Amino acid sequence: SQTIHQWPATLVQPVGSPLSLECTVEGTSNPNLYWYRQAAGRGLQLLFYSVGIGQISSEVPQNLSASRPQDRQFILSSKKLLLSDSGFYLCAWGGVTGTDTQYFGPGTRLTVL
Amino acid sequence: AQSVTQPDIHITVSEGASLELRCNYSYGATPYLFWYVQSPGQGLQLLLKYFSGDTLVQGIKGFEAEFKRSQSSFNLRKPSVHWSDAAEYFCAVGAADSNYQLIWGAGTKLIIKP
Repeated sequence: SQTIHQWPATLVQPVGSPLSLECTVEGTSNPNLYWYRQAAGRGLQLLFYSVGIGQISSEVPQNLSASRPQDRQFILSSKKLLLSDSGFYLCAWGGVTGTDTQYFGPGTRLTVL
Repeated sequence: AQSVTQPDIHITVSEGASLELRCNYSYGATPYLFWYVQSPGQGLQLLLKYFSGDTLVQGIKGFEAEFKRSQSSFNLRKPSVHWSDAAEYFCAVGAADSNYQLIWGAGTKLIIKP
């Protein structure tokens, strides 16, 4: 069966520091991968999605970036964190089209101080 | 414009009472509809989905949802809630031509009174 991992589970970082969040998927090949952010009391905001290695689409201009160095690895990064980057970051994998179910990881709680 | 509206930010229900969470969508293509649940501090879990066929869909944990095309709605129901149902519920819509994306509602937080 498929499993999705995210780490770290929680992270507290100072403003201006770099960020690297990792997501890996097991049990499936060539999945679509997604990074979402969930701010306190708000819904899901799609940040990036990837349909294959090295293929990243950005939905929201910001100081975050994403990379997909391997088929089942998706990384969210920032060179300098802002206070507004605080939130709950969720990685998800899904199938080929928008009709396919998305399966979510446990999330990373990021607090920028 | 494509959108999903969950009109209720919070809903409080007594344990054992029935539940209905509302979801309305605006989507030009044939919609594919999803309900997800998120327990505090956790990722999202799929409750149920509708693609075609019977408009009443059964999901996990005793939930069901009914697709009403004429009302552009996909409301989630449960006949008797349990304290463990306290969570946030998200409605989402996608389509075959949606470029892999889902359109998400803002969520409804369900609070259970003992």
